[in-house]
Amino acid sequence: DIQMTQSPSSLSASVGDRVTITCRASQSISSYLNWYQQKPGKAPKLLIYAASSLQSGVPSRFSGSGSGTDFTLTISSLQPEDFATYYCQQSYSTPRTFGQGTRLEIK
Amino acid sequence: QVQLQESGPGLVKPSETLSLTCTVSGGSISSYYWSWIRQPPGKGLEWIGYIYYSGSTNYNPSLKSRVTISVDTSKNQFSLKLSSVTAADTAVYYCARADAAYGDYEYWGQGTLVTVSS
Repeated sequence: DIQMTQSPSSLSASVGDRVTITCRASQSISSYLNWYQQKPGKAPKLLIYAASSLQSGVPSRFSGSGSGTDFTLTISSLQPEDFATYYCQQSYSTPRTFGQGTRLEIK
Repeated sequence: QVQLQESGPGLVKPSETLSLTCTVSGGSISSYYWSWIRQPPGKGLEWIGYIYYSGSTNYNPSLKSRVTISVDTSKNQFSLKLSSVTAADTAVYYCARADAAYGDYEYWGQGTLVTVSS
């Protein structure tokens, strides 16, 4: 199985801050990396697919980059509704695997 | 707009079989991969497996001996059966649609909590 490791596990930030979350794969996954946002009691929401493609309807302050084993999700200017947990997921091979999550909290 | 809705018992006894169905509306079940993903309370996401509309399946090796995913294209539904459940199988179970090209999950059900307890 491909292991996905996110850092940090939790993060405190303020509205307006620029935030970066990192995801590392245990082997190369090309650009088969997706990012999700999950709020309490809700299903995950797709933000970024194929490492850097912005899902339709997702604000442009979200961006993704990387290929191979190292990937980043950046939120350029945090808004109040962005405080949530973020997960990366590889779709290069089965079993599909997710990172452990990064909890983004209000400072 | 594609919508997915899970249904099934919210309480299952240990050693019994968990059975859930996902009903797809607003689109055809054809030409996509249909998955089950679960999330234990307070924990991360675990991929259970998927089924292609043609019926081919792929399961997580960690659960493979206990999992069966099936599809009923006439009803636009797919189903999950997980046998010999224990308390460790207590989780919110999501059904989701995977894009065939990139494998991302754009559409999810709302999730259903299944508790394993006597």
